[in-house]
Amino acid sequence: DADVTQTPRNRITKTGKRIMLECSQTKGHDRMYWYRQDPGLGLRLIYYSFDVKDINKGEISDGYSVSRQAQAKFSLSLESAIPNQTALYFCATSGNGAEAFFGQGTRLTVV
Amino acid sequence: AQSVTQLGSHVSVSEGALVLLRCNYSSSVPPYLFWYVQYPNQGLQLLLKYTTGATLVKGINGFEAEFKKSETSFHLTKPSAHMSDAAEYFCAVGNNFNKFYFGSGTKLNVKP
Repeated sequence: DADVTQTPRNRITKTGKRIMLECSQTKGHDRMYWYRQDPGLGLRLIYYSFDVKDINKGEISDGYSVSRQAQAKFSLSLESAIPNQTALYFCATSGNGAEAFFGQGTRLTVV
Repeated sequence: AQSVTQLGSHVSVSEGALVLLRCNYSSSVPPYLFWYVQYPNQGLQLLLKYTTGATLVKGINGFEAEFKKSETSFHLTKPSAHMSDAAEYFCAVGNNFNKFYFGSGTKLNVKP
């Protein structure tokens, strides 16, 4: 099983709908992140959490919210999806080894 | 503030040729530096990292990178490209707060 699991892997939703992307990890890391990938822009940080009671906005948090339900779970919500939120979304974790570990990504299309 | 610049969004090399992917960073604190690789429809996989110590870092699949503080660079190299190296490569900078900033990526094409 993957260390960082994202569900769903692919999702098509309509404009205005609420959608939640879920992430769970088995690495025992305290730090978790949500990134968005767009062609030519690399990965941009949406939200990050350094422990269950700590939630921080990243570079592009507008239109998104998160919930850290447990050390192992970090979900990303789009309250009212819009077409320019069409992107590849990645969850990541990090521990004491400095690097981040990534999930397989969720490809979201908003029509 | 920290940022990463990757020169060249697309790089094309012949199989067996040298691979050189460029990365420059800005950081107000001693940086942690990373290279990740992304194959189609997959997540990012760590190739190598620099935290402290030796400035020449060796990673997986024959890749290596050298941290040059004076040039604020962390270029990725591989002496001989293989077809399986075709992928997108991301340079990233982090700090001791484990917050990461990524470059815009370089797509490597390997020609037979």
